[in-house]
Amino acid sequence: GENVEQHPSTLSVQEGDSAVIKCTYSDSASNYFPWYKQELGKRPQLIIDIRSNVGEKKDQRIAVTLNKTAKHFSLHITETQPEDSAVYFCAASPGTASKLTFGTGTRLQVTL
Amino acid sequence: SQTIHQWPATLVQPVGSPLSLECTVEGTSNPNLYWYRQAAGRGLQLLFYSVGIGQISSEVPQNLSASRPQDRQFILSSKKLLLSDSGFYLCAWSVWAEHGYTFGSGTRLTVV
Repeated sequence: GENVEQHPSTLSVQEGDSAVIKCTYSDSASNYFPWYKQELGKRPQLIIDIRSNVGEKKDQRIAVTLNKTAKHFSLHITETQPEDSAVYFCAASPGTASKLTFGTGTRLQVTL
Repeated sequence: SQTIHQWPATLVQPVGSPLSLECTVEGTSNPNLYWYRQAAGRGLQLLFYSVGIGQISSEVPQNLSASRPQDRQFILSSKKLLLSDSGFYLCAWSVWAEHGYTFGSGTRLTVV
């Protein structure tokens, strides 16, 4: 089955700096890659996703890149703000299967 | 619009007691339904998923079980809780994995 690895497990950046979280996946059939943000004690919420027919997608300060050849994808947050502090999960969906496989999460802390 | 309801929000149960957590979805038909558990500070562990009434797939052998008695109802149960069952339980739904998951608000279970 699919295996998703996520790095780093914790990340501390100063407000205004950029943050990058990286994930690798094992199943070359995977074609959908969402990112979720989970604030403390809350449910994970979808913040951005990318499909395998595109290499990059942006939404304001958030961008995701995908390298299908290398089987890795990354989340980029620019001009970080304290409200970006949360745990971020990447995930991958292998082909037409109905399941998402999640990474282990990255705890991002944005300091003043 | 689609909504997902999950209850209760918090639960404290003694070891050896039974468990029943319920999740319902509104505004869609034949959703894929999922139960995840998240231990404190950890990632998302898929417990069960269902693609239709009465169809349950188990991902992790344990003393938990799941049932889907109606199209939009998903129930997580246990006959006898263990201390290790403590965690944050999340229900989620999707039409297809490629459209991402929507999570319920979660149940924080503490087994004492």
